[in-house]
Amino acid sequence: QKEVEQNSGPLSVPEGAIASLNCTYSDRGSQSFFWYRQYSGKSPELIMFIYSNGDKEDGRFTAQLNKASQYVSLLIRDSQPSDSATYLCAVKMYSGGSNYKLTFGKGTLLTVNP
Amino acid sequence: GAVVSQHPSRVICKSGTSVKIECRSLDFQATTMFWYRQFPKQSLMLMATSNEGSKATYEQGVEKDKFLINHASLTLSTLTVTSAHPEDSSFYICSATRTSGGSTDTQYFGPGTRLTVL
Repeated sequence: QKEVEQNSGPLSVPEGAIASLNCTYSDRGSQSFFWYRQYSGKSPELIMFIYSNGDKEDGRFTAQLNKASQYVSLLIRDSQPSDSATYLCAVKMYSGGSNYKLTFGKGTLLTVNP
Repeated sequence: GAVVSQHPSRVICKSGTSVKIECRSLDFQATTMFWYRQFPKQSLMLMATSNEGSKATYEQGVEKDKFLINHASLTLSTLTVTSAHPEDSSFYICSATRTSGGSTDTQYFGPGTRLTVL
């Protein structure tokens, strides 16, 4: 079964620190990777996507992808209390025929302490 | 932007009734729309994938006759929960991918519909 694994946390960091969120996936053929943030009681919102090995930066967020190790991570610099949420890693996986779907990890709960 | 709306945001109904949830892409045309369900403290579970003008593809274990999906246009998909029971109470979230412009891989999520069946 194709899976996406995340540490459920909670991950607690002080305000201003770097938060590091990790994700591994089982399907070696996967090409598209996404990080979503979900506040309690709300739907997921896209933070960023990454397709190529290496780093991709967007503001305080950096996604890192290593396809050989089947590993994707998200770094949040200068963490703020408003970053406290569950972070979902999602991997686009082939599901048969001409269909693809996102497979989500269970999410990592991040708490940023003032 | 890529805005997806859902209506209603919250619904409470009696057991045995049917509930329809609408999902609309407001500023783009959606090739594909997805329906997810999320129980408290659990991750998103894909229920079905729908493409405009064709039958939805349901995930294993999801009853087609209970969760009716109609994808009538490139901007509208509906999910009808038929004969709802308390165990159907959940957070239902739709998402959509673009036909063109920007990443056609990325799923943009609606705000979700919280269904409570009494």
